[in-house]
Amino acid sequence: DTEVTQTPKHLVMGMTNKKSLKCEQHMGHRAMYWYKQKAKKPPELMFVYSYEKLSINESVPSRFSPECPNSSLLNLHLHALQPEDSALYLCASSLFPGSSSYNEQFFGPGTRLTVL
Amino acid sequence: KNEVEQSPQNLTAQEGEFITINCSYSVGISALHWLQQHPGGGIVSLFMLSSGKKKHGRLIATINIQEKHSSLHITASHPRDSAVYICAVRVIQGAQKLVFGQGTRLTINP
Repeated sequence: DTEVTQTPKHLVMGMTNKKSLKCEQHMGHRAMYWYKQKAKKPPELMFVYSYEKLSINESVPSRFSPECPNSSLLNLHLHALQPEDSALYLCASSLFPGSSSYNEQFFGPGTRLTVL
Repeated sequence: KNEVEQSPQNLTAQEGEFITINCSYSVGISALHWLQQHPGGGIVSLFMLSSGKKKHGRLIATINIQEKHSSLHITASHPRDSAVYICAVRVIQGAQKLVFGQGTRLTINP
């Protein structure tokens, strides 16, 4: 299994809803990432988990709450989002954290989120 | 000035043409990635380079570390190659972070 999966593919939610995005990989990777991508822009890093511990939070608002229950699973809990949070949310994983030249990131297909 | 610059921003060509997309960066890196994203879709990693040249099918990627420059070439281009191609670098001082270029939107007409 050499892929990163994300569910759901599409999500529409109101500003008062609570929802969660899910990301899963079974490649034995120990670093997992959440990115946000607005239309026609490159991805922006949100969070990095290293060995199931949050290692980077790029000053993301608290209405986004990440969780890494185990080494294969990464969740992003959403609450009280704003319409400007509508975007493609991408998950990625890599074998190890760190800047090794061998440390390729594998991306999932993304969840397209619309906040009404 | 962005740390990673791609050119051109947009490229339209006819099927069969040889395509070159360029990426220049201004920081020390441990690796450079070429990524492909189809409209509305997720990201696929095409290559990860730290030196030299890599080839996969009709795609070739090269990197010149001294000049801080990389190129992605597509031979015998096909409409299914139409996508956004993104250059991203792993900064030596940046540990786990990738720094992305703005992307090159490629359209191949039949």
